[in-house]
Amino acid sequence: KQEVTQIPAALSVPEGENLVLNCSFTDSAIYNLQWFRQDPGKGLTSLLLIQSSQREQTSGRLNASLDKSSGRSTLYIAASQPGDSATYLCAVQPGGSYIPTFGRGTSLIVHP
Amino acid sequence: NAGVTQTPKFRVLKTGQSMTLLCAQDMNHEYMYWYRQDPGMGLRLIHYSVGEGTTAKGEVPDGYNVSRLKKQNFLLGLESAAPSQTSVYFCASSSLLLATSYNEQFFGPGTRLTVL
Repeated sequence: KQEVTQIPAALSVPEGENLVLNCSFTDSAIYNLQWFRQDPGKGLTSLLLIQSSQREQTSGRLNASLDKSSGRSTLYIAASQPGDSATYLCAVQPGGSYIPTFGRGTSLIVHP
Repeated sequence: NAGVTQTPKFRVLKTGQSMTLLCAQDMNHEYMYWYRQDPGMGLRLIHYSVGEGTTAKGEVPDGYNVSRLKKQNFLLGLESAAPSQTSVYFCASSSLLLATSYNEQFFGPGTRLTVL
């Protein structure tokens, strides 16, 4: 059974820092990995999706990488801003399944 | 394009009451999902559907029923609500058939349900 772990569970950083959020998974036979952002009291917003054949995806200040062999993905946020404060979740979809497995998320606070 | 919408946004029920949550998507997605999110438990899959007229159980299906009579709608029913069903419910949809979609999941805004 696929297990997805996100470390750290919470992170507080000053504005302007570059930061890395981690997502690890136990089964490397994946179809895709998706990163989401969730603001308090809101739904999940898709940030980036990496197909199994890709190594990274970029959107603005966000860069997500995927290393299937080590079972890891990282979400890099450049020049963090208070508006980046949210919970970030990763979800791994196994090959041959419609059902993604979600991590518990990393709660990020960027203070001015 | 409204994406994924959920009705209602908030609801308070008494124990034993029933209700139906509605999820609608306008992206022509084949797959639809119902999750619940609880503090410390993360997102847990309740039921899902891979197409019109089909449904399947997820991780925590007990106490819930679903129906997918139309491709764009996925209904979640609580026949006899219990306090343990107090949660935030999210609907999501995705597609493997649409070009470049790669089964990317799109979520609705959620329904906050309290059972007294």
